[in-house]
Amino acid sequence: GAGVSQTPSNKVTEKGKYVELRCDPISGHTALYWYRQSLGQGPEFLIYFQGTGAADDSGLPNDRFFAVRPEGSVSTLKIQRTERGDSAVYLCASSSGISNSPLHFGNGTRLTVT
Amino acid sequence: DAKTTQPPSMDCAEGRAANLPCNHSTISGNEYVYWYRQIHSQGPQYIIHGLKNNETNEMASLIITEDRKSSTLILPHATLRDTAVYYCIYLQGNTGKLIFGQGTTLQVKP
Repeated sequence: GAGVSQTPSNKVTEKGKYVELRCDPISGHTALYWYRQSLGQGPEFLIYFQGTGAADDSGLPNDRFFAVRPEGSVSTLKIQRTERGDSAVYLCASSSGISNSPLHFGNGTRLTVT
Repeated sequence: DAKTTQPPSMDCAEGRAANLPCNHSTISGNEYVYWYRQIHSQGPQYIIHGLKNNETNEMASLIITEDRKSSTLILPHATLRDTAVYYCIYLQGNTGKLIFGQGTTLQVKP
């Protein structure tokens, strides 16, 4: 079946610009997660949704980062006034939301801020 | 943050079993151990998870010690395609949030 889909796969933007990254979770998955991965590091948690609401946004680095999931399915990660340090691979994952069910990851969006 | 300890790198000969260790001495009684792997330019791929009993699926086996302070992922017949970074993780609380460490880079050699 279809896995987690992320678009675009690559995004190059100029410093100071606004970007949106999209995640289509596995159909029926109620839990959705965003992670960020810098070169040579493990993925770093950003935010977790259960349904439409952000259950845990403790990993968002600052208020330039925001994520929404208005209908409990597709999610968008929004970054305002991008900085070169935001360059990374942004990963999305989803799970059924049932306790201890595994997360399934997409292949990420590689964001480069020039 | 939930913390595991893994060796930074390991080698394995093609066709042999790869045994990847992980220490998780601070794990709580109801926290599952998860293993993921990541091949270059792809997202992490779920392999297996377990609580206290040993588990096996089509990809691997997971052996968890009786005191649950450590576990071993076993790839029974490693292939070149198993070359990847392997992460041992446990779920933090009841959020389903995975906290990744640095993982083990497994290099399978012909």
